[in-house]
Amino acid sequence: EAQVTQNPRYLITVTGKKLTVTCSQNMNHEYMSWYRQDPGLGLRQIYYSMNVEVTDKGDVPEGYKVSRKEKRNFPLILESPSPNQTSLYFCASSLRAGTGLYEQYFGPGTRLTVT
Amino acid sequence: SQQGEEDPQALSIQEGENATMNCSYKTSINNLQWYRQNSGRGLVHLILIRSNEREKHSGRLRVTLDTSKKSSSLLITASRAADTASYFCATDAWYSSASKIIFGSGTRLSIRP
Repeated sequence: EAQVTQNPRYLITVTGKKLTVTCSQNMNHEYMSWYRQDPGLGLRQIYYSMNVEVTDKGDVPEGYKVSRKEKRNFPLILESPSPNQTSLYFCASSLRAGTGLYEQYFGPGTRLTVT
Repeated sequence: SQQGEEDPQALSIQEGENATMNCSYKTSINNLQWYRQNSGRGLVHLILIRSNEREKHSGRLRVTLDTSKKSSSLLITASRAADTASYFCATDAWYSSASKIIFGSGTRLSIRP
């Protein structure tokens, strides 16, 4: 089954404790992206990747890191989480980018709470 | 940066009625997409309309695009309880040689039985 998976689905952590949210897709998609969703603000892009070893900042990259060592994986790293990073996070992938994005496939979301 | 803005923010209609949601954006786009999100879950792609298209249909969905007004509308005909969800428009445009997709803040649609 074609899908985007994220782990963990729920996470409660404390300020400053490094964490990683994994994202994996099995559709051989070139493009992958991370979003955060906060009430009233819609989805805001954190980072995206056009292909392996190619990543770029989205609209709200501060406090986050990503890597794209393999085509299927795109982990999101919070080196020192803070309470303002409490949010619902989505990973998404798309066949390719460059001449206009194709439809994006979304993971189920990771609800992160930082206390 | 907020590219797409949906209107209204919330909409409640009777089952069987039609629901219309609008999206306005600011810059020239490659395409515009509509997504649905059931409460707290991942977004599901509904329909994509390219900048050179004016109207597109998919089942009970009808999307229009007016690039001169920088606006799009999503019409859901003969609404059902299962249509209760949030709907987002997403614009795909070029920003500094990279294609980016930017989501609006969404319309919450409630279908009353």
